[in-house]
Amino acid sequence: GQQVMQIPQYQHVQEGEDFTTYCNSSTTLSNIQWYKQRPGGHPVFLIQLVKSGEVKKQKRLTFQFGEAKKNSSLHITATQTTDVGTYFCATLDGQNFVFGPGTRLSVLP
Amino acid sequence: DTEVTQTPKHLVMGMTNKKSLKCEQHMGHRAMYWYKQKAKKPPELMFVYSYEKLSINESVPSRFSPECPNSSLLNLHLHALQPEDSALYLCASSRQGYNEKLFFGSGTQLSVL
Repeated sequence: GQQVMQIPQYQHVQEGEDFTTYCNSSTTLSNIQWYKQRPGGHPVFLIQLVKSGEVKKQKRLTFQFGEAKKNSSLHITATQTTDVGTYFCATLDGQNFVFGPGTRLSVLP
Repeated sequence: DTEVTQTPKHLVMGMTNKKSLKCEQHMGHRAMYWYKQKAKKPPELMFVYSYEKLSINESVPSRFSPECPNSSLLNLHLHALQPEDSALYLCASSRQGYNEKLFFGSGTQLSVL
């Protein structure tokens, strides 16, 4: 089945610093979704990327889909304590999305 | 209403107990899912119902039995569970399934003693 790797596994940043997580696949992806899960919470959908080279922005968050559709990134500008959580990418495997292992972000005030 | 509601929020059960997890959504979504999530791990798909029919069973042991009484409700019946089944059980829904965003409930934290 479809599998993706996410790096880094953990990231500790000072509030105000930028943060980037990467989702990488050895095979071409049809599309990719990103979710955020706060500590003690449930995954919340952030974005879906479909097109090669696609870039989407949500306030301080920038999402990118690689030209070869084998990788994706999520960049947060000027992190805030509210950004704390685990960020998962999810890829289509057959008819359903499979989640990557996640990147856990902690933000030090 | 963009919520998926799960009950109970917490459940402790013995290995000989029978219990049920419940999930409800009123968004008119026609696909509903059960995921299992262990601590510090990603959600793992267990079952998918599409238009009230079981479409995917990801080789889940028979001690987990899903049920979809109607398009708004999804149950997960539990019987003779093992301690390693302790996890967060998440219900999710999507508009029609297949390639659409998932709306997750807040989950049931299950402990099997």
